[in-house]
Amino acid sequence: DAKTTQPPSMDCAEGRAANLPCNHSTISGNEYVYWYRQIHSQGPQYIIHGLKNNETNEMASLIITEDRKSSTLILPHATLRDTAVYYCIVRVAPQFSGGYNKLIFGAGTRLAVHP
Amino acid sequence: EPEVTQTPSHQVTQMGQEVILRCVPISNHLYFYWYRQILGQKVEFLVSFYNNEISEKSEIFDDQFSVERPDGSNFTLKIRSTKLEDSAMYFCASREMKGTYEQYFGPGTRLTVT
Repeated sequence: DAKTTQPPSMDCAEGRAANLPCNHSTISGNEYVYWYRQIHSQGPQYIIHGLKNNETNEMASLIITEDRKSSTLILPHATLRDTAVYYCIVRVAPQFSGGYNKLIFGAGTRLAVHP
Repeated sequence: EPEVTQTPSHQVTQMGQEVILRCVPISNHLYFYWYRQILGQKVEFLVSFYNNEISEKSEIFDDQFSVERPDGSNFTLKIRSTKLEDSAMYFCASREMKGTYEQYFGPGTRLTVT
């Protein structure tokens, strides 16, 4: 699985958009970008994933650059409850890897949302 | 909304003792995982389990560790002889056969070895 680089920490004002960047310059064609978050030692929580098109769900938006070497997770209206560590993970899609594949977590970005 | 549950939430044990951490995955899920997180460190993969056998394990998952699905609902992690360095949060996760392939994590068991 390709390596990812994320800033160690970011701040965001409540109600504003939080834009969390991730670099994955060695990503290969069959690798997806997944985002998870971990709120204060709870179990990680899936947020969103994508291959090459931008994706949006009820939690966030994912913008992937055309060359797929970087992406940005957008929380459109951050709340205090969004304070967490956000992990960008690149992994081969399970349908190509036998289905089991583990998640490899890096250090992530610690997002602090303040009033 | 269905969720993964884990028991106990906190386990304190003495070095050398056996512990069993329990997980109830989401009912229609077929892939199961254990991860651990030592305080202040990254979440680390331990083992994946499918079709009643281990599909992959990390270097951490040595002979002191074992997993089992004793019935149709529980998934357990056993540590035979605990060491101080086994102190960590242990997370169970599961996922369904297809769909988004996302893994759903439980709330974790905090294991403290004294």
